[in-house]
Amino acid sequence: AIQLTQSPSSLSASVGDRVTITCRASQGISSALAWYQQKPGKAPKLLIYDASSLESGVPSRFSGSGSGTDFTLTISSLQPEDFATYYCQQFNSYPHRLTFGGGTKVEIK
Amino acid sequence: QVQLQESGPGLVKPSETLSLTCAVSGYSISSGYYWGWIRQPPGKGLEWIGSIYHSGSTYYNPSLKSRVTISVDTSKNQFSLKLSSVTAADTAVYYCARLWYSSGWYYFDYWGQGTLVTVSS
Repeated sequence: AIQLTQSPSSLSASVGDRVTITCRASQGISSALAWYQQKPGKAPKLLIYDASSLESGVPSRFSGSGSGTDFTLTISSLQPEDFATYYCQQFNSYPHRLTFGGGTKVEIK
Repeated sequence: QVQLQESGPGLVKPSETLSLTCAVSGYSISSGYYWGWIRQPPGKGLEWIGSIYHSGSTYYNPSLKSRVTISVDTSKNQFSLKLSSVTAADTAVYYCARLWYSSGWYYFDYWGQGTLVTVSS
């Protein structure tokens, strides 16, 4: 089974900072990767799909890149509402299977 | 606007079966898409439980497959989860969600608010 490893598991940053989160797949997954944002007590929200496509309504300060085994989520200028936990997720076609990374908590410095 | 709402008992006894339903509004399940269940133990990460297509085809997480059944009722526009022989390790917030298709791959685009299920005697 494909595993996703996120790093770091947590980070502290200030408003305005550029933040990068990494997700590494245990084997190549092409561009079948999504990023979600989850705030306490809330359901996750889809930010990025197909590794680099921005979901409708998501601010342009969020961007995704990568393919194969190494992926990144970048927040170009961290805003107060961006403090949350971020998860990557991959989809495997055969067999149909979905896997989440362990999460990265972005905290206020 | 697609909306999903989980419902079911918030407390289940060990060894019993957890049963949840996800009611969908704003979209007809019979029109297509996969629909899924995800869970999140308190303070931990997300775990995919399984998915079901509107036709009834199902896929399960291998780690839970022996205990999971997901079914769909298109007449009520809802789908359900049953998890048998539960233990304290199954205590989690359970989410239902729609799987959206893009470029041959699937992602969760609409989520329910989640429901906490506690396994305790």
